[in-house]
Amino acid sequence: DAKTTQPTSMDCAEGRAANLPCNHSTISGNEYVYWYRQIHSQGPQYIIHGLKNNETNEMASLIITEDRKSSTLILPHATLRDTAVYYCIVRVENTGGFKTIFGAGTRLFVKA
Amino acid sequence: GAGVSQSPRYKVAKRGQDVALRCDPISGHVSLFWYQQALGQGPEFLTYFQNEAQLDKSGLPSDRFFAERPEGSVSTLKIQRTQQEDSAVYLCASSLRGRDTQYFGPGTRLTVL
Repeated sequence: DAKTTQPTSMDCAEGRAANLPCNHSTISGNEYVYWYRQIHSQGPQYIIHGLKNNETNEMASLIITEDRKSSTLILPHATLRDTAVYYCIVRVENTGGFKTIFGAGTRLFVKA
Repeated sequence: GAGVSQSPRYKVAKRGQDVALRCDPISGHVSLFWYQQALGQGPEFLTYFQNEAQLDKSGLPSDRFFAERPEGSVSTLKIQRTQQEDSAVYLCASSLRGRDTQYFGPGTRLTVL
């Protein structure tokens, strides 16, 4: 299983961009990188995913390096409500589907 | 539209009691997943259904844990003879198909006294 490595915690000032890094050096060619976040007492919320190209949606941007060994999630204008644990996940194909292997994630604190 | 719902949201059980946790996936979603999340940890995979078929139960920690999805929609996770180490948040997720994005419910927080 491909594993991911993320910083334990990060701080970001409100209104600034939050850049959350993730290393996934053992990723296989057909494995996607997914990002979820989990706000206290809620279930994980899907943010974005990608294979090798950079992706952008209304929540965030995902930058994947050319060798696919690392990626960065960018929240362009962080707000206090973006304080959460952010999980970088590599999907592992298993028995007709994918089981999602979470790590410990990065705890992002957005400060006023 | 409605997301994944779980009930109850909170459950307190005495050690040795049996509990049943319910998950209502998003309508039309074929795949359903159960995860266990201990305090301060990321969710850990328990089991996976495609329709009513349980295709992967490799994450179930013991034979006290049992999951079913008899009609391919609602799923129930049952824990028999609960132990204190079973205390955790139990998360359910569904996806349109197994390889698609998973959407999570709010979880059931189980506390075993």
